[in-house]
Amino acid sequence: GDSVTQMEGPVTLSEEAFLTINCTYTATGYPSLFWYVQYPGEGLQLLLKATKADDKGSNKGFEATYRKETTSFHLEKGSVQVSDSAVYFCALTGGYQKVTFGTGTKLQVIP
Amino acid sequence: DGGITQSPKYLFRKEGQNVTLSCEQNLNHDAMYWYRQDPGQGLRLIYYSQIVNDFQKGDIAEGYSVSREKKESFPLTVTSAQKNPTAFYLCASTGTGATNEKLFFGSGTQLSVL
Repeated sequence: GDSVTQMEGPVTLSEEAFLTINCTYTATGYPSLFWYVQYPGEGLQLLLKATKADDKGSNKGFEATYRKETTSFHLEKGSVQVSDSAVYFCALTGGYQKVTFGTGTKLQVIP
Repeated sequence: DGGITQSPKYLFRKEGQNVTLSCEQNLNHDAMYWYRQDPGQGLRLIYYSQIVNDFQKGDIAEGYSVSREKKESFPLTVTSAQKNPTAFYLCASTGTGATNEKLFFGSGTQLSVL
């Protein structure tokens, strides 16, 4: 079946540092890929998405590129802020509209 | 504003008791989902529904039940058969359930066992 593997956290960075959170996936067919963000005590919000190979999703300074050849969708941001502290989930939607989530990566940004 | 409302935010269950978590959406979405979130385990699908009066089991449906009598409502019952119910429960919806659609999430219900 489909699966998503994320790098384990927590990730602790200083403000203005470069962020990479790795995400790789296994799926049949041509899934859509997503990054969601969860702030403490809340539900998830869509951060960005890509629906086909080589598409780049971007939002609020975050970017991720759908790499079919390496089955990856790594999340990057050039300069993180304290307000970016949250848990980040990589996800894919494959056959039968089923969404599969990674385990989440907690990011803590310190001033 | 359109969105998904989950209630209550915190819920406590006694031994042998059934409890029901509410999920209401005013987005006119067809597809609705229930996920369970445990620390370090990501989200696991309990049940989903793509149309009124129809729903399917997800990966961890045992000990749970749902109904979909109205388009805007998808309540989840945690039965006494669920032996480890303590978790954060999230309800979500999408317009049609197409693969390129994002999920809209409620703010969650934290269920704990007394």
